[in-house]
Amino acid sequence: DTAVSQTPKYLVTQMGNDKSIKCEQNLGHDTMYWYKQDSKKFLKIMFSYNNKELIINETVPNRFSPKSPDKAHLNLHINSLELGDSAVYFCASSETRPVRVRGKEQYFGPGTRLTVT
Amino acid sequence: TQLLEQSPQFLSIQEGENLTVYCNSSSVFSSLQWYRQEPGEGPVLLVTVVTGGEVKKLKRLTFQFGDARKDSSLHITAAQPGDTGLYLCAGAYRFTGAQKLVFGQGTRLTINP
Repeated sequence: DTAVSQTPKYLVTQMGNDKSIKCEQNLGHDTMYWYKQDSKKFLKIMFSYNNKELIINETVPNRFSPKSPDKAHLNLHINSLELGDSAVYFCASSETRPVRVRGKEQYFGPGTRLTVT
Repeated sequence: TQLLEQSPQFLSIQEGENLTVYCNSSSVFSSLQWYRQEPGEGPVLLVTVVTGGEVKKLKRLTFQFGDARKDSSLHITAAQPGDTGLYLCAGAYRFTGAQKLVFGQGTRLTINP
């Protein structure tokens, strides 16, 4: 009965490689997010998709490309990996309706620890 | 630019003591959320405060949203070792179709038996 799942849990790779992280939610939510948490535990939003449409795109290198094949999945592809990409990446999802209600909870996945060597 | 300043970043106290964690910003948020994160897991929502001046209680935890909706506090009464963890505040901005959360730096809380 996992709500938000991510694969893989751990990813170790060398500089210059291309890798993907997958995310799936079974909560029926229409919005999904990618966050990056650095070594100091600072959590920063990267992207958000609503029903496969890109809504939020923070200042992220264009080596990072999210893809949403349907509203239950949001994958993150990273090209030409760099040492500074090492972090824990979290996927999250939330409802966005009814619009008049503020404070929608975001449900986070367990994270993918990416180590670039 | 850090929009949400959370303090303290580290706090170690004895069981039974009280503590307060603060989140401050110059920005107005549509809501403010408090999360708790355990090692190796994603953050889990504790509470959402929406209205300026709102106070919510969760057992020994009391959350308050500032009148101007720019700041918030988390107060724990009679802390227990089970309260140990990373606490994150997050200010929310609403977009059409999404909600952008801006997180504070986090407070790593350790309660010593």
